[in-house]
Amino acid sequence: NAGVTQTPKFQVLKTGQSMTLQCAQDMNHEYMSWYRQDPGMGLRLIHYSVGAGITDQGEVPNGYNVSRSTTEDFPLRLLSAAPSQTSVYFCASRVGTDSSYEQYFGPGTRLTVT
Amino acid sequence: AQTVTQSQPEMSVQEAETVTLSCTYDTSESNYYLFWYKQPPSRQMILVIRQEAYKQQNATENRFSVNFQKAAKSFSLKISDSQLGDTAMYFCAFMMYGQNFVFGPGTRLSVLP
Repeated sequence: NAGVTQTPKFQVLKTGQSMTLQCAQDMNHEYMSWYRQDPGMGLRLIHYSVGAGITDQGEVPNGYNVSRSTTEDFPLRLLSAAPSQTSVYFCASRVGTDSSYEQYFGPGTRLTVT
Repeated sequence: AQTVTQSQPEMSVQEAETVTLSCTYDTSESNYYLFWYKQPPSRQMILVIRQEAYKQQNATENRFSVNFQKAAKSFSLKISDSQLGDTAMYFCAFMMYGQNFVFGPGTRLSVLP
């Protein structure tokens, strides 16, 4: 199993550009989520999905869109990048919301918006 | 809303010694889970230890153990016989049953040779 994969690992964008961060998992997990990590703030939830076709907002959803057309993939779209979106982004998955099973994380994407 | 506090932004410890990282959380619920995650310089998030709130016994994983004080809403991590490879950011996390994770701001631990 590859686990949770994310691409790209690094990205530099100009203000106003759009892009998609890719996330895929091969563990047949129902639950997937996107976090951003900023110094001194830990990981904050952007969006999450409890299964294909179902998404919901987390703590900091503004400026981001998600979709979940398959169990495996959960891409995060930045609609019009802003410097405030400079951060490290993590995708994570776990078996489901009704368990305490471990949440598996991808390797992260470091995004810089200039 | 639940919150998680880690009051020590940075800590250091000598190799082979013991260090304790603090975590407190705020919730009115009685059923939940607590976690410690490690993030080394590679940036990968690694689960260190997990505790179910309904279990009175403190969780232990090799050199890592927790002191879970439910009434005080405290969940500290003790690392014994610290090793250079323990140098990392450590995040405390809270999860109510069926809900999302809530992470603390993290503690940067440096293990000194």
